[in-house]
Amino acid sequence: GDSVTQMEGPVTLSEEAFLTINCTYTATGYPSLFWYVQYPGEGLQLLLKATKADDKGSNKGFEATYRKETTSFHLEKGSVQVSDSAVYFCALSANTGNQFYFGTGTSLTVIP
Amino acid sequence: DTAVSQTPKYLVTQMGNDKSIKCEQNLGHDTMYWYKQDSKKFLKIMFSYNNKELIINETVPNRFSPKSPDKAHLNLHINSLELGDSAVYFCASSQVSGSWDEQFFGPGTRLTVL
Repeated sequence: GDSVTQMEGPVTLSEEAFLTINCTYTATGYPSLFWYVQYPGEGLQLLLKATKADDKGSNKGFEATYRKETTSFHLEKGSVQVSDSAVYFCALSANTGNQFYFGTGTSLTVIP
Repeated sequence: DTAVSQTPKYLVTQMGNDKSIKCEQNLGHDTMYWYKQDSKKFLKIMFSYNNKELIINETVPNRFSPKSPDKAHLNLHINSLELGDSAVYFCASSQVSGSWDEQFFGPGTRLTVL
């Protein structure tokens, strides 16, 4: 079945460091891919998404490219800030559109 | 305006009690969901409703019963609460328009069973 495998955390970085959080997926057909962010004490918010191969989603300095050949959707940011400290979830939406598959989440802490 | 709202935000109760969590969305979406997030942040879907009809029911004890009075509301009723039910419960909604749907989440309800 469809699934998402996400890099395990926690991840701790210094401010202005480069961030990569790996995400790979298994799916039949052509799913849509998402990154959600959960700040402490809050619900999940959509960070970015890509709906077809080679699409690049971007928002708030974060980017991820939908790579069909490697079935990956890695999240990157060139220079993290303390305010980026959160839990990041990779997610996949199956072709049926009714089912989401979330990764296990990666906790990021950015220290000044 | 809050897009997806849940009440209560915190719920502390004794084992064996029955409790309900309410969810409302004002986005005009057709589909609503309940998720359970455990202490390790693992997010697991419990139920999904489309236009008041159940479409996903994962392996969840039958003590959990969702109720959708209309497509803007999806409430979760839990009977005979157990210690293992302690978690954060998130409601979400999406428009069923294809595989590019994104889900909009509520702020969560932290349930603590003593």
